[in-house]
Amino acid sequence: EAGVAQSPRYKIIEKRQSVAFWCNPISGHATLYWYQQILGQGPKLLIQFQNNGVVDDSQLPKDRFSAERLKGVDSTLKIQPAKLEDSAVYLCASIRDLTYNEQFFGPGTRLTVL
Amino acid sequence: KQEVTQIPAALSVPEGENLVLNCSFTDSAIYNLQWFRQDPGKGLTSLLLIQSSQREQTSGRLNASLDKSSGRSTLYIAASQPGDSATYLCAVTPGSARQLTFGSGTQLTVLP
Repeated sequence: EAGVAQSPRYKIIEKRQSVAFWCNPISGHATLYWYQQILGQGPKLLIQFQNNGVVDDSQLPKDRFSAERLKGVDSTLKIQPAKLEDSAVYLCASIRDLTYNEQFFGPGTRLTVL
Repeated sequence: KQEVTQIPAALSVPEGENLVLNCSFTDSAIYNLQWFRQDPGKGLTSLLLIQSSQREQTSGRLNASLDKSSGRSTLYIAASQPGDSATYLCAVTPGSARQLTFGSGTQLTVLP
């Protein structure tokens, strides 16, 4: 079974530019999460999807961040415009459904904002 | 609001030592607790998951315990090896949405 895929693995942009990240969860996994991990900290939840609907986006900075999962499979996370403090690793995770406990994580996208 | 704390932030031990990593959380109403390993530039690998009704889980040289009433978990690593060098993260699931609240991690270095 293939794991969670993310791309790109690395991205360097200048502040005020836009960037998008892509995630393809494990096949059949209904629930998808995006986390932000700043250097030296643990990951923090940004948004949770159940199929193609948003379950929780309370911690997503909606003035600059947006995310979608249109067909209930892969997902994109966008930042527009980026700020220096957005430099972090963006992790995608999936779980089969909410009756299961274990989340599976992708390798992450490391974003550097200059 | 659930908060997770991990002590120490960094640990360096010689190869072969047994060691304990600590995790504490402020709200005992959790669904489960999970220990992850993170290697530099890599994603998270799940090591052990303890459901709220369980007290411990074991996998190979790893043993994790959970004391919900005191809000504590420990990860015990036996006979440490240089390949165990990584950052270890503790995370709790506060509710049915299965969202994870993480600690800041313990960076472990095992010296040959």
